[in-house]
Amino acid sequence: DSGVTQTPKHLITATGQRVTLRCSPRSGDLSVYWYQQSLDQGLQFLIQYYNGEERAKGNILERFSAQQFPDLHSELNLSSLELGDSALYFCASSVDGEGNEQFFGPGTRLTVL
Amino acid sequence: GENVEQHPSTLSVQEGDSAVIKCTYSDSASNYFPWYKQELGKRPQLIIDIRSNVGEKKDQRIAVTLNKTAKHFSLHITETQPEDSAVYFCAATTGRRALTFGSGTRLQVQP
Repeated sequence: DSGVTQTPKHLITATGQRVTLRCSPRSGDLSVYWYQQSLDQGLQFLIQYYNGEERAKGNILERFSAQQFPDLHSELNLSSLELGDSALYFCASSVDGEGNEQFFGPGTRLTVL
Repeated sequence: GENVEQHPSTLSVQEGDSAVIKCTYSDSASNYFPWYKQELGKRPQLIIDIRSNVGEKKDQRIAVTLNKTAKHFSLHITETQPEDSAVYFCAATTGRRALTFGSGTRLQVQP
């Protein structure tokens, strides 16, 4: 157990819908990262937050957005869902915003039907 | 930005043999290189990492080497066991941005 929690574990929804994925970082970690992993694919970096502020953006679609709240938990919002958005979504946290020693949560498996 | 290439994409070894996975990176400013192990449907787990001021690091059966001049780093697993079977990802960062991951190596250890 890495100490990073994610909810829900599984999410099944239909095309065109909107969902919210939630992540709580390890105690003491200020930075949260979101990654997408499609079937048999690598880890694609989406976005990073550090202490409530956006720090870096990766390959995040305009239909996707995220935020980090004052209690440091983060939410990833996915809207106008398409079949191709079906994937595992991981969040990771680290103590600082320097990209070091990231610890991953268990992931949310999103299935878009 | 950073680009990380990882080879091979699949690797099959006999139990007890050694396995080596190699990665190259493009940004000479990268200074942190972790390796993650991911079992099917599970989270990536950090298994070992190395920083640019060190050439080699060992942890029991696992070792990582770094060649800054050539911009490549490798994961070495000795005395492989069936439970080592998983997908392994290398990554790199300068520290000022998120990790850039390699494409992964599927390691199969045959009993």
